Amino acid sequence: GESVGLHLPTLSVQEGDNSIINCAYSNSASDYFIWYKQESGKGPQFIIDIRSNMDKRQGQRVTVLLNKTVKHLSLQIAATQPGDSAVYFCAENRDDKIIFGKGTRLHILP
Amino acid sequence: KAGVTQTPRYLIKTRGQQVTLSCSPISGHRSVSWYQQTPGQGLQFLFEYFSETQRNKGNFPGRFSGRQFSNSRSEMNVSTLELGDSALYLCASATGGGNTDTQYFGPGTRLTVL
Repeated sequence: GESVGLHLPTLSVQEGDNSIINCAYSNSASDYFIWYKQESGKGPQFIIDIRSNMDKRQGQRVTVLLNKTVKHLSLQIAATQPGDSAVYFCAENRDDKIIFGKGTRLHILP
Repeated sequence: KAGVTQTPRYLIKTRGQQVTLSCSPISGHRSVSWYQQTPGQGLQFLFEYFSETQRNKGNFPGRFSGRQFSNSRSEMNVSTLELGDSALYLCASATGGGNTDTQYFGPGTRLTVL
């Protein structure tokens, strides 16, 4: 079946480096994508979103890239900080439901 | 503005019992969605309510039900609890304006079924 998925379950990054979290999706009709961050003991927190008519969108220290040709989404976090340690989910809004990927745990090395 | 609140935060029940969870959305939000989060299945959509009507539904058995009140507060109910229902139940609120509506999540209710 169609699903939103993630390439790696865990990513370890040195503090201060940039982080890149990848996501693949299979539904070519998907037109809206969201990245969420979930810290331990909390609900998912919206980070940034992108519509399919865009290929890049920037926020504060975060950039989302969308490649519709290969159905790939990535989240880039600049100058990773200890507070960025969390599980990151990509999600697509399909038929008014948010379909989440399995998540990538970002681990920050001191 | 206060965020999404969920009560209770933690709950322990035994198999066969039923449980009701509550969610208060952000003021002004009319859409409330419920999700189940487990280590094995991840985050799965249960249902969405908008203006007291169920607008969308995921693939869960009829033991899972919900409702929304006129003040947009929502409850979900799980009857005849099974061990596999142990999970974090999250609700999210949104203005309800469309499929690019940002959803804001509450902290969740951790349900343990013994």
